[in-house]
Amino acid sequence: QQPVQSPQAVILREGEDAVINCSSSKALYSVHWYRQKHGEAPVFLMILLKGGEQKGHEKISASFNEKKQQSSLYLTASQLSYSGTYFCGTAGGTSYGKLTFGQGTILTVHP
Amino acid sequence: ETGVTQTPRHLVMGMTNKKSLKCEQHLGHNAMYWYKQSAKKPLELMFVYSLEERVENNSVPSRFSPECPNSSHLFLHLHTLQPEDSALYLCASSQELGGRGNQPQHFGDGTRLSIL
Repeated sequence: QQPVQSPQAVILREGEDAVINCSSSKALYSVHWYRQKHGEAPVFLMILLKGGEQKGHEKISASFNEKKQQSSLYLTASQLSYSGTYFCGTAGGTSYGKLTFGQGTILTVHP
Repeated sequence: ETGVTQTPRHLVMGMTNKKSLKCEQHLGHNAMYWYKQSAKKPLELMFVYSLEERVENNSVPSRFSPECPNSSHLFLHLHTLQPEDSALYLCASSQELGGRGNQPQHFGDGTRLSIL
């Protein structure tokens, strides 16, 4: 069963912040975040593992609430280059390489 | 340059044709994946290979036939496809198969497939 992402789309001005959420009805052991620009490959952003710490990379960070089976991706002081579709991919306890992806959140950053 | 190269980038074929998609990874990874990305649908995992052995067939119709001759190359052979098979087909690789999804996946740019 696929995770559910919210919101489906976000429009921002440069410098604004955004939060993208990913929720699952199944027990999760890991959550991946990827960004895909139109016509390009999805690019890996980060993995959050059960029992692990909140991850961060420059102005993009994420958290994983194991009890709620939810993850959130935080984009602060957004840049034009942040535009794209963000996907979460989740893995349960018996998954070996098998990720189930959400439907994606389209993020558009305007000047 | 993503380290995962897919060819061709675009493919148009009739329903009775046979064609193949190719994926090559230059990252020294041991696991490779095929995904289908349709408009307004989530990425769907099709096949998983680890050290050239297929470990996952995610209920994919037999008109799609994968082949992994070595850990650097992955093919998807197509035969008698249907219009609903039109989609972007993405290849990905990871260092290892990884337990519980602990391995990041590196994607190619995909092959845009159109079935006439």
